Amino acid sequence: QQQVKQSPQSLIVQKGGISIINCAYENTAFDYFPWYQQFPGKGPALLIAIRPDVSEKKEGRFTISFNKSAKQFSLHIMDSQPGDSATYFCAASKGSGNTGKLIFGQGTTLQVKP
Amino acid sequence: DTGVSQNPRHKITKRGQNVTFRCDPISEHNRLYWYRQTLGQGPEFLTYFQNEAQLEKSRLLSDRFSAERPKGSFSTLEIQRTEQGDSAMYLCASSTGAGGISNQPQHFGDGTRLSIL
Repeated sequence: QQQVKQSPQSLIVQKGGISIINCAYENTAFDYFPWYQQFPGKGPALLIAIRPDVSEKKEGRFTISFNKSAKQFSLHIMDSQPGDSATYFCAASKGSGNTGKLIFGQGTTLQVKP
Repeated sequence: DTGVSQNPRHKITKRGQNVTFRCDPISEHNRLYWYRQTLGQGPEFLTYFQNEAQLEKSRLLSDRFSAERPKGSFSTLEIQRTEQGDSAMYLCASSTGAGGISNQPQHFGDGTRLSIL
């Protein structure tokens, strides 16, 4: 049962361009939506996260856009750099008496060309 | 380094052997999670501890898998009678339970990569 669907599977962007990764979820009880960045041989590193009381959150070059009615959220990487080349995962979890376990998307491999 | 620490980083073993992995969470974090990640996939939840209590186990966690968190500090994940399908990266994550919010940011270790020969 795939509760979080992520697209695209892979993405190639030129240096300085905008990278956009999309996720859709099914369970309306989800109330926390983080994005993780993972380099080969490393664990996922928390990049940015949002809760559904806001529609957008920006941290540096990274922005999450959240559409509660559509049950979708996306990651925008502005001014993409070769060092951003990694695999990105969206995730979702339920709070309010639940364990907070994360349900991950399938991942997007981003390549930023110099 | 005050991040989540996992040992060993790599484990190669023969099918049928038992293996044990260790996770040391961030010291003030009372919540600890184990996930499994196979190549090209996102991590999948295995089990959750709040302090020393194991409060949730995934259906992915067969009876060959057992996890403990004695005294609410480090945690161990043991796999008995390993099978080829157990080959994966086993990730540990920890978080606080501050403010009564259960889904606080989770911080991951670099995992233990298990290879079954």
